[in-house]
Amino acid sequence: AQKVTQAQTEISVVEKEDVTLDCVYETRDTTYYLFWYKQPPSGELVFLIRRNSFDEQNEISGRYSWNFQKSTSSFNFTITASQVVDSAVYFCAPRYGNNRLAFGKGNQVVVIP
Amino acid sequence: GAVVSQHPSWVICKSGTSVKIECRSLDFQATTMFWYRQFPKQSLMLMATSNEGSKATYEQGVEKDKFLINHASLTLSTLTVTSAHPEDSSFYICSAPTGDTEAFFGQGTRLTVV
Repeated sequence: AQKVTQAQTEISVVEKEDVTLDCVYETRDTTYYLFWYKQPPSGELVFLIRRNSFDEQNEISGRYSWNFQKSTSSFNFTITASQVVDSAVYFCAPRYGNNRLAFGKGNQVVVIP
Repeated sequence: GAVVSQHPSWVICKSGTSVKIECRSLDFQATTMFWYRQFPKQSLMLMATSNEGSKATYEQGVEKDKFLINHASLTLSTLTVTSAHPEDSSFYICSAPTGDTEAFFGQGTRLTVV
């Protein structure tokens, strides 16, 4: 099975601080997609961002930004100016053959007002 | 955008009974759907791949006779937990990929077996 490492189990930040979530993955594929999902307490998975492996340009989308480094197999995600509504579990998920997603253990983000 | 609807959102059943969970793609056709299970504070683990018109593909360690999957149409996959036991209590969630875009997930089903 493909391995995804999200080392930070729980991260607490004060509202308006930035928070960066680390993700390191293993793959034998040369091309693949990378995703970040948010899971609020209600349980549903909310799509956040998608990046394909042949485009290493880092982007910003609203308060979200990401840093993809193919050479180190890392796909880090940053929330800028965190808000209480950002409190959730965040999953990094590379997608491999047959559209299968491999999920990391998740980062529990707690934003303190 | 594409929507996947999962029903029911929660269910409580007695030990030994069977529970059926439905996953529907509402505005697109899904020849493949995925079923995941998530225990509290754990990651999502892929249980099986549901294939329209053919048998499901199960991940190692998942009992195919216990978790019956049927993908009878291009918009519906069902997961039946047969003879449920308390250890089957978990959060079950389905997804349907749409080509190169993100996989769309259902709302999830919280199963409690008492």
